[in-house]
Amino acid sequence: EVVMTQSPATLSVSPGERATLSCRASQSVSSNLAWYQQKPGQAPRLLIYGESTRATGIPARFSGSGSGTEFTLTISSLQSEDFAVYYCQQYSNWPRTFGQGTKVEIK
Amino acid sequence: EVQLVESGGGLVQPGRSLRLSCTASGFTFGNYAMSWVRQAPGKGLEWVDFIRSTAYGGTTEYAASVKGRFTISRDDSKSIAYLQMNSLKTEDTAVYYCTRVGGGGSGWPDDYWGQGTLVTVSS
Repeated sequence: EVVMTQSPATLSVSPGERATLSCRASQSVSSNLAWYQQKPGQAPRLLIYGESTRATGIPARFSGSGSGTEFTLTISSLQSEDFAVYYCQQYSNWPRTFGQGTKVEIK
Repeated sequence: EVQLVESGGGLVQPGRSLRLSCTASGFTFGNYAMSWVRQAPGKGLEWVDFIRSTAYGGTTEYAASVKGRFTISRDDSKSIAYLQMNSLKTEDTAVYYCTRVGGGGSGWPDDYWGQGTLVTVSS
């Protein structure tokens, strides 16, 4: 099983600042990596897939990078609606696996 | 507009069965793989299972934690995906999300999610 490790567990950021979230895979997942956003009481929403492709309707302030085992999600200028939990997921190997999540909170 | 609506959740005793349904609309259901992902209270996301589109053989994949107990299936004529859950355990308690996979086979992420249905396994 591919273990996905996200860091940090919690990120405290002020509105308007940049946020950088990391995700590491225990083995290469090529470019089969997705990022999801989940707000309290809501279902997750796909943000980024294939490392860096934004899903439909996702603002340009969200960007993804990386390949193989190291991946990054960057939010260039945090808006109030971006405070949430973010999960990475590999869909290269079975079973599909998620990271444990990074909570982005208001500083 | 893509919509996924789960139903069938509720309170069930350990060892009993439950069937969840996911009714899809807004897209050609038969062209897409479908999946279930669950989230225990206060915890992270756990992938449960996956079914390919008929064009990709309609074959299935399961997490080790549910293999042999859960069965995913699909009825393309009704645009419904099902999750049959047998021999339920307390650790199966979670919100179960139905997801659409971005293509007919593997190699795509979960691009749309339902709002989830809560399954509580307790005596």
